[in-house]
Amino acid sequence: GENVEQHPSTLSVQEGDSAVIKCTYSDSASNYFPWYKQELGKGPQLIIDIRSNVGEKKDQRIAVTLNKTAKHFSLHITETQPEDSAVYFCAAWYSSASKIIFGSGTRLSIRP
Amino acid sequence: DTAVSQTPKYLVTQMGNDKSIKCEQNLGHDTMYWYKQDSKKFLKIMFSYNNKELIINETVPNRFSPKSPDKAHLNLHINSLELGDSAVYFCASSRGQGALELFFGEGSRLTVL
Repeated sequence: GENVEQHPSTLSVQEGDSAVIKCTYSDSASNYFPWYKQELGKGPQLIIDIRSNVGEKKDQRIAVTLNKTAKHFSLHITETQPEDSAVYFCAAWYSSASKIIFGSGTRLSIRP
Repeated sequence: DTAVSQTPKYLVTQMGNDKSIKCEQNLGHDTMYWYKQDSKKFLKIMFSYNNKELIINETVPNRFSPKSPDKAHLNLHINSLELGDSAVYFCASSRGQGALELFFGEGSRLTVL
């Protein structure tokens, strides 16, 4: 069925350290994997995405990796800063249903 | 110049009442959505419209009725509100059905007492 699992549900890291959030998906036909950041009182906003034809993508301090064989993908944030504190959602595009399925979210807190 | 705007931002009402949430996007997108986010932050799609036509209708109670008067607007009307309807409702849009980036509004927090 359509399912995206996300771990951990909460994550606290020291400012300057790295944070990693992991997701798995169930449909081997999925080919698009976005990551959204939701700040307090706001709607989710796309921060980075990856398509199935690449294994890694970077944008400054943010990187995503994709392992299609294992159906895993991860978000890596390096040199974390206070403004990185938010809820992060992974998602996968299920072409069979023409919709994006979201993971359950990770609340990331950056300790000063 | 807000891209996706929804009103009201907060809504507090009694069980059994009927309420509406409005959404407008000025991005020129063809596809609009309603998502529900519960207290545990789960984001679940409810409806999707493409050029005013319903394309996704998840297993949502009939009490929820979306209406799209034109492709820039997607409203959500809820009849006979129940306690379990309390949530944050997000409107979103995308360039088209095959366009994958979603642009979300800021949410409408509905509290049913």
